[in-house]
Amino acid sequence: QKEVEQNSGPLSVPEGAIASLNCTYSDRGSQSFFWYRQYSGKSPELIMFIYSNGDKEDGRFTAQLNKASQYVSLLIRDSQPSDSATYLCAVRPQAGGFKTIFGAGTRLFVKA
Amino acid sequence: SAVISQKPSRDICQRGTSLTIQCQVDSQVTMMFWYRQQPGQSLTLIATANQGSEATYESGFVIDKFPISRPNLTFSTLTVSNMSPEDSSIYLCSVAPTDSNQPQHFGDGTRLSIL
Repeated sequence: QKEVEQNSGPLSVPEGAIASLNCTYSDRGSQSFFWYRQYSGKSPELIMFIYSNGDKEDGRFTAQLNKASQYVSLLIRDSQPSDSATYLCAVRPQAGGFKTIFGAGTRLFVKA
Repeated sequence: SAVISQKPSRDICQRGTSLTIQCQVDSQVTMMFWYRQQPGQSLTLIATANQGSEATYESGFVIDKFPISRPNLTFSTLTVSNMSPEDSSIYLCSVAPTDSNQPQHFGDGTRLSIL
């Protein structure tokens, strides 16, 4: 079992729709969870981080964390073509110190 | 967040040669990491660059192939030695602040092609 799992996609949504990106992780003791966006040919860029169960909103982005289910998601409201990118879920395991484990990423296409 | 400058941004090298990639941060950071991202793949951690001591390498990566220096809290280098076409990849420097809950940030990466 991979430590951080994501559906590779591609996930295709029409412009203006809600894009839902999902991630599961294996280390139950993980405390920190991150979402990065990576455009083709560019380096990852931090979008959101979340530490507590529940929702965390920032503009059009909402991160959702359910530690009991070992599940973290990213919702993008009012999706725009500029949101088309690969989204990386990242988890910091409890015993890993600063080490962060990255998922393989989900490719998102937002159709105009 | 810290400003991370990585160079070169890209290079094309001959097999058997070595290339050193530099990572400069505009503020002191506790942790610096080096990642590799092969085409179409996610990030793979090569090593953690420790200030004042040897780097900590992940499984599958060795110091002879990827020597790392970390002379101070704002600078690190990664050398890719005796390169082969399989080393063609993007190499990314990443930093994390003192608080282990805080996220990592990435430099712009070095796109390396080996002929």
